[in-house]
Amino acid sequence: GAVVSQHPSRVICKSGTSVKIECRSLDFQATTMFWYRQFPKKSLMLMATSNEGSKATYEQGVEKDKFLINHASLTLSTLTVTSAHPEDSSFYICSGGGGSSDTQYFGPGTRLTVL
Amino acid sequence: QQQVKQSPQSLIVQKGGIPIINCAYENTAFDYFPWYQQFPGKGPALLIAIRPDVSEKKEGRFTISFNKSAKQFSLHIMDSQPGDSATYFCAASNLGSGFQKLVFGTGTRLLVSP
Repeated sequence: GAVVSQHPSRVICKSGTSVKIECRSLDFQATTMFWYRQFPKKSLMLMATSNEGSKATYEQGVEKDKFLINHASLTLSTLTVTSAHPEDSSFYICSGGGGSSDTQYFGPGTRLTVL
Repeated sequence: QQQVKQSPQSLIVQKGGIPIINCAYENTAFDYFPWYQQFPGKGPALLIAIRPDVSEKKEGRFTISFNKSAKQFSLHIMDSQPGDSATYFCAASNLGSGFQKLVFGTGTRLLVSP
């Protein structure tokens, strides 16, 4: 299967700082990338959908100014959590898909802890 | 309309048993139904997926049964092993109009006892 990587895998930051998470498709071109948030023992909550070269489409209730998404190339998307607060602590997961494939491939996730 | 309902919430089976996880959907536009397996602290991994033109698909020990008229689909794990202990998510999307977002079920925590 196709491989998606995320970096960093874990990050701890102070309240008020910004954190950038990278999502890379390693062996395929991801025309569409998705960003999810997952709370402990809960399902994945879609935050936004991004197509390469276009602005991201955010789900209802997700603050676009707080969660900045950039999908500058077919293999890289970034999520920046701006002015992070403790309530932003969560597990963030990206996925990629597109081309001739029906499948979304998920990254390993990034654990964000805001102190 | 966009929901995918998944049951049970948790499941315990003995090694060698056949756990069955069920999902139901309302949106008849859905045409792609994948199952994902997630271990703690990891991202979901695709297990198996089905399109509505077939009623069953098997890959290794994993089988999806699909009932289009009832708008239900289920995952069966044959000869379950302790290593299958994980959370399983069903999902659905409409690929007919291009690559679309997945709607996830609420997840089933499976424990396979030795």
